[in-house]
Amino acid sequence: GAVVSQHPSRVICKSGTSVKIECRSLDFQATTMFWYRQFPKQSLMLMATSNEGSKATYEQGVEKDKFLINHASLTLSTLTVTSAHPEDSSFYICSAKTTRDTEAFFGQGTRLTVV
Amino acid sequence: GQNIDQPTEMTATEGAIVQINCTYQTSGFNGLFWYQQHAGEAPTFLSYNVLDGLEEKGRFSSFLSRSKGYSYLLLKELQMKDSASYLCAVMDSNYQLIWGAGTKLIIKP
Repeated sequence: GAVVSQHPSRVICKSGTSVKIECRSLDFQATTMFWYRQFPKQSLMLMATSNEGSKATYEQGVEKDKFLINHASLTLSTLTVTSAHPEDSSFYICSAKTTRDTEAFFGQGTRLTVV
Repeated sequence: GQNIDQPTEMTATEGAIVQINCTYQTSGFNGLFWYQQHAGEAPTFLSYNVLDGLEEKGRFSSFLSRSKGYSYLLLKELQMKDSASYLCAVMDSNYQLIWGAGTKLIIKP
């Protein structure tokens, strides 16, 4: 299957700082990328959907000014958590798909801890 | 509203068979996915059903009935490594994935 690389896998940051998470499709062009967060023992919660070259569509309740998403190319999307707080600590996962394929391929996930 | 229901937790014995059910109510239907997720890891794709019937892939099979809004994932010859959460997800009319809360499967020796 197609490979999606997410980096970093773990990050610890201080409260008030910003953290950038990268999601790359390594062997295909991802026209659409999805960003999820997952709290312990809970399912994935879709945060936003981004299409290459256009603004991301955020789900209700997700602050677009806090979670900045950039999908500047067909192989890279970034999620920046700005002014992070301890309650932002979570597992963030990206997935990517092409317009042709139904299946979305997941990155490895990023464990964010804000101290 | 859109809703995906699956049991929270199931327990089964190594070598046995287990069936994890998923019922859904969504605005439109463009297929149903099953994913496996080990703790602390991202989900991995198991199966995709868009037509009624049974799809078999090794020890795993997935069934879909669109008229009943129902699917199940069947795992045979259970192994300890099958202990994980199993997520049911439906692609709606907007091609968005609607996720169930996941079923935690515990395998006992």
